[in-house]
Amino acid sequence: EDQVTQSPEALRLQEGESSSLNCSYTVSGLRGLFWYRQDPGKGPEFLFTLYSAGEEKEKERLKATLTKKESFLHITAPKPEDSATYLCAVQARYGQNFVFGPGTRLSVLP
Amino acid sequence: EADIYQTPRYLVIGTGKKITLECSQTMGHDKMYWYQQDPGMELHLIHYSYGVNSTEKGDLSSESTVSRIRTEHFPLTLESARPSHTSQYLCASSEMGNSPLHFGNGTRLTVT
Repeated sequence: EDQVTQSPEALRLQEGESSSLNCSYTVSGLRGLFWYRQDPGKGPEFLFTLYSAGEEKEKERLKATLTKKESFLHITAPKPEDSATYLCAVQARYGQNFVFGPGTRLSVLP
Repeated sequence: EADIYQTPRYLVIGTGKKITLECSQTMGHDKMYWYQQDPGMELHLIHYSYGVNSTEKGDLSSESTVSRIRTEHFPLTLESARPSHTSQYLCASSEMGNSPLHFGNGTRLTVT
């Protein structure tokens, strides 16, 4: 059965303190791994798609990486506006639907 | 500048009422989905559609129904709401293949 776990559950950082969020997955052939950002009271907002091990994507202070078992979302010199819940999801090669992890709640303190 | 719209944003209703949550998208996507999300928990798929007149139930057992008469519209109906239906309902759409999901801002439903 396809499964996604995320750690830590919650993370508090000081502004400028870099860190990484983890997404571990088991899937019967990976079609794609997706990162989303979700602000309170809103729907998830798409950030990145990664398709194969070794792939990396960057956007502003965020960088996503992928191995055969996990993905990391690296946050460099975060700002308070980066505070949100970050969700990871996988899509299996032979399926159409997405399996989501429970998310990591990130708080960046000024 | 959301391309996928959900109404209402918030809804409080009494037990036993019939309700319809609306979802429309302007991107021409064939695939549409309904997810349920409780605080701090995973998104759970309750219904999906790969095109007009195509609907399927998801992994989460649900007492809701959906219809897909037009590409852009994917409403979800609860025939008789119960307090256990209290949750956030998120609608999403995507292109075919391995394209990402685009989400609406959700409907927060409270059943008293």
